[in-house]
Amino acid sequence: SYVLTQPPSVSVAPGKTASITCGGDNIGRKSVHWYQQRPGQAPVLVIYSDGDRPSGIPERFSGSNSGNTATLTISRVEDGDESDYYCQVWDIASDHWVFGGGTKLTVL
Amino acid sequence: EVQLVETGGGLIQPGGSLRLSCAASGFPVNSNYMTWVRQAPGKGLEWVSLIYSSGITYYADSVKGRFTISRDNSKNTLYLQMNSLRGEDTAVYYCARGPKVGNWFDPWGQGTLVTVSS
Repeated sequence: SYVLTQPPSVSVAPGKTASITCGGDNIGRKSVHWYQQRPGQAPVLVIYSDGDRPSGIPERFSGSNSGNTATLTISRVEDGDESDYYCQVWDIASDHWVFGGGTKLTVL
Repeated sequence: EVQLVETGGGLIQPGGSLRLSCAASGFPVNSNYMTWVRQAPGKGLEWVSLIYSSGITYYADSVKGRFTISRDNSKNTLYLQMNSLRGEDTAVYYCARGPKVGNWFDPWGQGTLVTVSS
């Protein structure tokens, strides 16, 4: 089955830029979606179709996808961005929906 | 406003059965695909099952043959029937909606906790 690989943790200072990667075999050929999950809360969609933002999501959140890596970028990081972030794709070969292992973003 | 509310979680012995419900409001539950995703304590998200608006269903290998996804259009509610429960099924179970075109999930319910233990 298709596997998505994320770093367990990323740390960033307030006001700086955080980049969270999601690796997968030829992931650039798939549509990648990203979710933010604050402690004790349900996941929230922050990026869909590689780089589109749902309404209400700040422009500081952006995404890209090419080759074997998709990236979620958070600019001008704020304390409130401290959360777990998950990437997700649909694997057409297995008709399974797949999540990455998640990345804990820590704001220093 | 689109809203999803899960109920039905609780403590169940191994080998037992439980049915989760997800009451939808703000849209017809049969107009989009709907999914169940779970999260074991301290772990990441795991996709469990999905039902298309056509009624076609899909399951993760870990639950295939034990879990059944369904919906009641008259009650605008999604269900997950879970049989032969195991300790590794212990998790918060979320329901979520998919778009009419695309394969992401938005929004999500608040989740319901299922604990499988003797």
